[in-house]
Amino acid sequence: GAGVSQTPSNKVTEKGKYVELRCDPISGHTALYWYRQSLGQGPEFLIYFQGTGAADDSGLPNDRFFAVRPEGSVSTLKIQRTERGDSAVYLCASSPQRGEWETQYFGPGTRLLVL
Amino acid sequence: AQSVAQPEDQVNVAEGNPLTVKCTYSVSGNPYLFWYVQYPNRGLQFLLKYITGDNLVKGSYGFEAEFNKSQTSFHLKKPSALVSDSALYFCAVRDIGSNTGKLIFGQGTTLQVKP
Repeated sequence: GAGVSQTPSNKVTEKGKYVELRCDPISGHTALYWYRQSLGQGPEFLIYFQGTGAADDSGLPNDRFFAVRPEGSVSTLKIQRTERGDSAVYLCASSPQRGEWETQYFGPGTRLLVL
Repeated sequence: AQSVAQPEDQVNVAEGNPLTVKCTYSVSGNPYLFWYVQYPNRGLQFLLKYITGDNLVKGSYGFEAEFNKSQTSFHLKKPSALVSDSALYFCAVRDIGSNTGKLIFGQGTTLQVKP
């Protein structure tokens, strides 16, 4: 079956611009996660959705970052007034439910470059 | 706080030889541990997980991992390495302190298998 998909695969923007990154989870998966992976590092948690609600946004670095999942499926990560330090690969993952034993399945990521 | 350490930035092994990629963890309770592999410009692919039960966990592509509670380790192993196993490997632990199931990743280990 189809896995997690993310668009765009690459995004180049200028400092100060607004960007939106999209994630399509595996059909039927209620849990959705966003992570950020900087060069040479492991992924770091940003935000978690259970259904439509953001159940944990403790990883968002500041109020320039925001994410939504209005219908409990597709999610959009929004970054306002981008900074060069926002350059990273943004990964989305989904799992069937929140259970601690559940495997998270990752998308290919969106590589964001802020010039 | 939960954490994961991968002490080796890179592991080199000859094709056909056994390989080990090391991971140690620190958690306050019972750990839920995961291994993922990342190929260039690709997302993370799930390899295996330890939740409970047998200390030796078998996963995809012939990989296995051994959970050792006394040494707080979860090393990834394969009896006979393939050149195609060359990739970036991440160990992760579930954040038991939160109720979201978010993963905490190590910094990654690059595995290089030479013909």
